[in-house]
Amino acid sequence: DGGITQSPKYLFRKEGQNVTLSCEQNLNHDAMYWYRQDPGQGLRLIYYSQIVNDFQKGDIAEGYSVSREKKESFPLTVTSAQKNPTAFYLCASSIDPGPNYGYTFGSGTRLTVV
Amino acid sequence: AQKITQTQPGMFVQEKEAVTLDCTYDTSDQSYGLFWYKQPSSGEMIFLIYQGSYDEQNATEGRYSLNFQKARKSANLVISASQLGDSAMYFCAMREGPSYNTDKLIFGTGTRLQVFP
Repeated sequence: DGGITQSPKYLFRKEGQNVTLSCEQNLNHDAMYWYRQDPGQGLRLIYYSQIVNDFQKGDIAEGYSVSREKKESFPLTVTSAQKNPTAFYLCASSIDPGPNYGYTFGSGTRLTVV
Repeated sequence: AQKITQTQPGMFVQEKEAVTLDCTYDTSDQSYGLFWYKQPSSGEMIFLIYQGSYDEQNATEGRYSLNFQKARKSANLVISASQLGDSAMYFCAMREGPSYNTDKLIFGTGTRLQVFP
């Protein structure tokens, strides 16, 4: 079945470390997105990519970096510059950038700073 | 600026009853899409229903229907015949017309629905 795979499901990071969250899709979607969700809150956009080798900052990009070397993959790196990285991270994809298409989401990665 | 407002942090409904979850939106675009997602405790986001800004009929998907009132900028989700498995967070979301610089689905803060026997 087609879908989005995020790994790992749970991730623990020490202070000062960079960590990378994986997101892979086999839906042949052009656009991919990373969102952050804090407890009791909605989702906020970190980065998005509409095409391979190109990506745009979202609303809360500081302290994060991404790459899009392959259509199927859109990894997110949480750097040591992100002061409050503990959150739930969701990756999504969309077949088209237009308003008629929603997103397909992965099952998320829960990141905790220890 | 585009914005989604969900004013009900939590709702309770008895099994088999209907429930309405409120959503209002703000946009200056004429072309936009409205979406509802369900997020169970496992965290995944499950797509429920979509309404386009030019659609004249209210969208329906099984037990879910979207009460779309364009003039009031309202897109309420109606769940009929609630089931215990409907207990989850529900998010209203909006996506505007295609744009390279502002492509995103924006979300409200969600409503936690609890269904009791």
